[in-house]
Amino acid sequence: EVQLVESGGGLAQPGGSLRLSCAASGFTFSSYEMNWVRQAPGKGLEWISHISGSGGRTYYADSVEGRFTISRDNAKNSLYLQMNSLRAEDTAVYYCARPPGTEYYGSWCASHIWGQGTKVTVSS
Amino acid sequence: QSALTQPASVSGSPGQSITISCAGTRSDVGGYNLVSWYQQYPGKAPKLMIYEVTKRPSGVSNRFSGSMSGNTASLTISGLQAEDEADYYCSSYAGSNTLIFGGGTKLTVL
Repeated sequence: EVQLVESGGGLAQPGGSLRLSCAASGFTFSSYEMNWVRQAPGKGLEWISHISGSGGRTYYADSVEGRFTISRDNAKNSLYLQMNSLRAEDTAVYYCARPPGTEYYGSWCASHIWGQGTKVTVSS
Repeated sequence: QSALTQPASVSGSPGQSITISCAGTRSDVGGYNLVSWYQQYPGKAPKLMIYEVTKRPSGVSNRFSGSMSGNTASLTISGLQAEDEADYYCSSYAGSNTLIFGGGTKLTVL
């Protein structure tokens, strides 16, 4: 079964850090680009980061550029999101997501397989 | 980039067809065939319904279809069913290696 399972969410203080993980199973992880998408309470979806299958190419939304770092370990079938300098507005459910197909032009722009999400709360 | 513009809510009766619009610009929706649509139930992860404007993932009902005209993409649901009641989001490539979402549309089945 194709599956993504996020972990690492919790309560963090403003200015603090958290590292989210996403464990992938049921597919050849290294063949797929991956995304992180978040959803603030009662709000819509927001794409925040993307990484290529090899990990050599990363993209970020302006809202997290310079504070968040996406990475992956293909040997461990795992995706990560290091979140630093956290702000109250980073409070959200964070989802890792996989595109419907392997790498081709624009393939990363859709997310087919989603994890269940992990909740991050930034508050003092 | 600004979020794509979706109606806050739409409604329809069972069996009817409804269309949800997703308005953007030439820099996003109108510039690329990279629009996706998602269905989300409360407290659940989104589900991909349409990608690359018109493509349907395996397992998605053919009652769901996508189209685009100019800078506006649309999701049409035909033969509306009670289970279609959910929030729907569009997304589009917005250039410069970024992706943007619409604000979401709440579909009510009357």
